[in-house]
Amino acid sequence: ETGVTQTPRHLVMGMTNKKSLKCEQHLGHNAMYWYKQSAKKPLELMFVYNFKEQTENNSVPSRFSPECPNSSHLFLHLHTLQPEDSALYLCASSLQVDNSPLHFGNGTRLTVT
Amino acid sequence: KQEVTQIPAALSVPEGENLVLNCSFTDSAIYNLQWFRQDPGKGLTSLLLIQSSQREQTSGRLNASLDKSSGRSTLYIAASQPGDSATYLCAVSSGANSKLTFGKGITLSVRP
Repeated sequence: ETGVTQTPRHLVMGMTNKKSLKCEQHLGHNAMYWYKQSAKKPLELMFVYNFKEQTENNSVPSRFSPECPNSSHLFLHLHTLQPEDSALYLCASSLQVDNSPLHFGNGTRLTVT
Repeated sequence: KQEVTQIPAALSVPEGENLVLNCSFTDSAIYNLQWFRQDPGKGLTSLLLIQSSQREQTSGRLNASLDKSSGRSTLYIAASQPGDSATYLCAVSSGANSKLTFGKGITLSVRP
């Protein structure tokens, strides 16, 4: 139990589908993050939310749309993805966005066909 | 632009060995450095965080050191066990609100 829960664990979707990834943290943290982990590449930061406000969009294509309704929940809405978007999508949280230790969920393994 | 390098990409050792995992970064003006562990199919677990003003941090059999001037950090694992088998990632931040830059990780296998 990591304190950060991601659903679903696995997702297979076609390029024309619309799906959403969900992340929930029970740690009382104020900052939440989406990361992308592709094979043979370092983790890439996608989005940062601090007190529900987006503070960073790391040049992510618009086919990825984040939503943070409150400090405990974070979504990543997906539409018209490409096969190269297949990766492990990791959610993380931290007490503050000042690089206090990150707590990660177990990720959603996404396959785009 | 900060770059983080972890070499080798994979390492296999017999149980009981003391081992050192290396991490190097190109910009020495860092805010802090973190070491993470990732088990297959799982997320990352934070192991140690070293602030830029610190030289090392210890947790159990793990010791992480930081040498900012040379752009290096090492993670020392004492008396390695098969349960230590995982991928170890190093990440640095360049400011209080700066994003982390990750290395690609070192996949460690400890043979019984």
